[in-house]
Amino acid sequence: NAGVTQTPKFRVLKTGQSMTLLCAQDMNHEYMYWYRQDPGMGLRLIHYSVGEGTTAKGEVPDGYNVSRLKKQNFLLGLESAAPSQTSVYFCASRDYNEQFFGPGTRLTVL
Amino acid sequence: KQEVTQIPAALSVPEGENLVLNCSFTDSAIYNLQWFRQDPGKGLTSLLLIQSSQREQTSGRLNASLDKSSGRSTLYIAASQPGDSATYLCAIMGSSNTGKLIFGQGTTLQVKP
Repeated sequence: NAGVTQTPKFRVLKTGQSMTLLCAQDMNHEYMYWYRQDPGMGLRLIHYSVGEGTTAKGEVPDGYNVSRLKKQNFLLGLESAAPSQTSVYFCASRDYNEQFFGPGTRLTVL
Repeated sequence: KQEVTQIPAALSVPEGENLVLNCSFTDSAIYNLQWFRQDPGKGLTSLLLIQSSQREQTSGRLNASLDKSSGRSTLYIAASQPGDSATYLCAIMGSSNTGKLIFGQGTTLQVKP
C-alpha cells in the first residue's frame, strides 16, 4: 500500500515551459487535492476533485489546470510556467475524515 | 472566511520540557481539526485528528484539545525530545462537503539536547 505518490520529486523549468505533475493514490479515495507551500504563506489549495471526472477551483487556481480522468490519478498542469509558480506542490487524498499527503514536488521556475 | 493562526511562529526549548503549541481559528463551524508534523524538505505526517464533537485526542506523548466555542486548539507535547524538532501545522476542515483544509502557517519547534 503506497498511499499517495507524486511524480516527479524535483523539476527545474524555464519561464514559459509547460509540465504536468502526477499524483496517484491507491486507497480508493474519492476526494483529491493539490496544494502549494510557500515560505510565509503556508499551504494553499490550488484545485480539488470530489470524484472521477470532476474538478473545482481552490484558493489560488490561476495558471494551473487539472484533470481527474481516473479515480486514482489527479494531474496538475502548468501550461506556461512563471517564476511565481516556484514552490513545493503537495497532493492529498481524503477518506471520510482525514487527508493523506504525498511527499511533495519541488518546482523551480527560472 | 476561515482564518487559522498559529502562535508562536518558532519555539526553542531544552530537552525534557513539556510544551504547548497554539492554534486559533475564526469560524467555529468546523468538521474537524488536524495536527500535522513536517520535517525540513519533507511531506506532511498526520499526528492527531479531532472531530468537531470531540474535546481531545491523545497519541503517546501528544495530546490535542479542541474548544470550538473559543476557536482554539492546543497541541501538548510531553517530555520533549530532540527528535520532536520539526514544524507543526494545524489545519481546519470546514463543514462544507468539499473537505478542503485551511492551514495555519505553522510553529517551528527546536528541542535542544
